[in-house]
Amino acid sequence: DSGVTQTPKHLITATGQRVTLRCSPRSGDLSVYWYQQSLDQGLQFLIQYYNGEERAKGNILERFSAQQFPDLHSELNLSSLELGDSALYFCASSEEGDTTGGYTFGSGTRLTVV
Amino acid sequence: GQQLNQSPQSMFIQEGEDVSMNCTSSSIFNTWLWYKQDPGEGPVLLIALYKAGELTSNGRLTAQFGTTRKDSFLNISASIPSDVGIYFCAGPRTGYNNDMRFGAGTRLTVKP
Repeated sequence: DSGVTQTPKHLITATGQRVTLRCSPRSGDLSVYWYQQSLDQGLQFLIQYYNGEERAKGNILERFSAQQFPDLHSELNLSSLELGDSALYFCASSEEGDTTGGYTFGSGTRLTVV
Repeated sequence: GQQLNQSPQSMFIQEGEDVSMNCTSSSIFNTWLWYKQDPGEGPVLLIALYKAGELTSNGRLTAQFGTTRKDSFLNISASIPSDVGIYFCAGPRTGYNNDMRFGAGTRLTVKP
């Protein structure tokens, strides 16, 4: 157990739908990062939050949004889902706002869009 | 910019063999990280390197921060079946510590 909790573990939904993925960071970590991993794309950075504020944005689609709440958990919202959005979505957390110390990943949410 | 290129893409080896993989970039990195991802799990940090030329070990794993700061190497000695997984190199984009770049990974299969 890495200490980063992601729910749900699996999600199957239809095209056009909207889903919310949830992440609780490791205790004491203020930063949360979201990554998408698909078979042919590797790990793609989506977005980072630090202590409730957006810190950095990667290749996140406009249909996707995220937030970090006062208790530091984070949610990634995916809307108007397409088949190509099927992927593993990972959340990671770190103590500080930068990544030089590496960070801790959760076990991921596997999203299947049918 | 600052792409990380990992090679090989995949390896099929016999248990007991040593493994070498590497990661290169056209840009300088100040930190190199190596992660392992087991099937169905998130990546786990194996080794972190912070200084050019640094050589760091973690059990049977040894990683080196290349002297040009544009590459890094990971070696696994005497492989065992549980070494199976995907190995990623990663590094924060220079000047943008929030932007972690990952290589595409090396998929390792170990035959008993």
